[in-house]
Amino acid sequence: NAGVMQNPRHLVRRRGQEARLRCSPMKGHSHVYWYRQLPEEGLKFMVYLQKENIIDESGMPKERFSAEFPKEGPSILRIQQVVRGDSAAYFCASSRLAGEEQYFGPGTRLTVT
Amino acid sequence: GENVEQHPSTLSVQEGDSAVIKCTYSDSASNYFPWYKQELGKGPQLIIDIRSNVGEKKDQRIAVTLNKTAKHFSLHITETQPEDSAVYFCAGPNDMRFGAGTRLTVKP
Repeated sequence: NAGVMQNPRHLVRRRGQEARLRCSPMKGHSHVYWYRQLPEEGLKFMVYLQKENIIDESGMPKERFSAEFPKEGPSILRIQQVVRGDSAAYFCASSRLAGEEQYFGPGTRLTVT
Repeated sequence: GENVEQHPSTLSVQEGDSAVIKCTYSDSASNYFPWYKQELGKGPQLIIDIRSNVGEKKDQRIAVTLNKTAKHFSLHITETQPEDSAVYFCAGPNDMRFGAGTRLTVKP
C-alpha cells in the first residue's frame, strides 16, 4: 500500500507565476489536509478536504490560494501570483476517517525567486 | 481558535537519559492526542497516539500520558539514542492544530 504521494518534490517559480501542488492520499483515505511549514517553524494548518468538499479552510489565505479534491484524481493546492513569502514546504496528509491518525507525504518545497 | 502549546522548544539530553515534552490544549472536546516525529527533509510521522479513555500508552521506549483534567499530554522517551534526534510535534484538537515543535538533540 503506497503512502501519501506528493509531486513535485521541489518547485521553483518566479514571482507572479502560478504554483500547483499535487497530493495523492493513501488508498482508502478520503480525508486530505494541507499544511505549510516555514524553515525552523511548525506546521500551520491550511485546509481540510473530503472528496469534492472543503470542510475547513480557516487556515488558508483568502486571496491567491485555493484547494480542491475532485472525485477522481489527486488533491490540488493552487497558489496564484506567487510572492517570495510563499516559499515554504507544503505537506499533505490523509486519513481514513475524520479524527484518526494522519499520514504525511514527503512534502513539496516551493521556492519563489 | 483552539490553542496547542508545546514546551520546551529545544531539548538536549545525553544518550541514555530520558526526554519529556509536554503539550497543553484548550478544547475540552478533544479526544485524540497524537505525537509526530519529523526528521530533516522529511514529512512528520506518527509515533504514538492516545485517546481520552486511557491515561497512558506505551510502545517500547516511547510513552504518552494524558491528564484531561489539567488539559495536557506528554511524550516520554526513555533510554534516548542519537537516532531519536529530530523535531517532535503534538497535535490537537481533531489532529489539525500542531504545537510549535520541540527540537530534541541526543548527544552520544
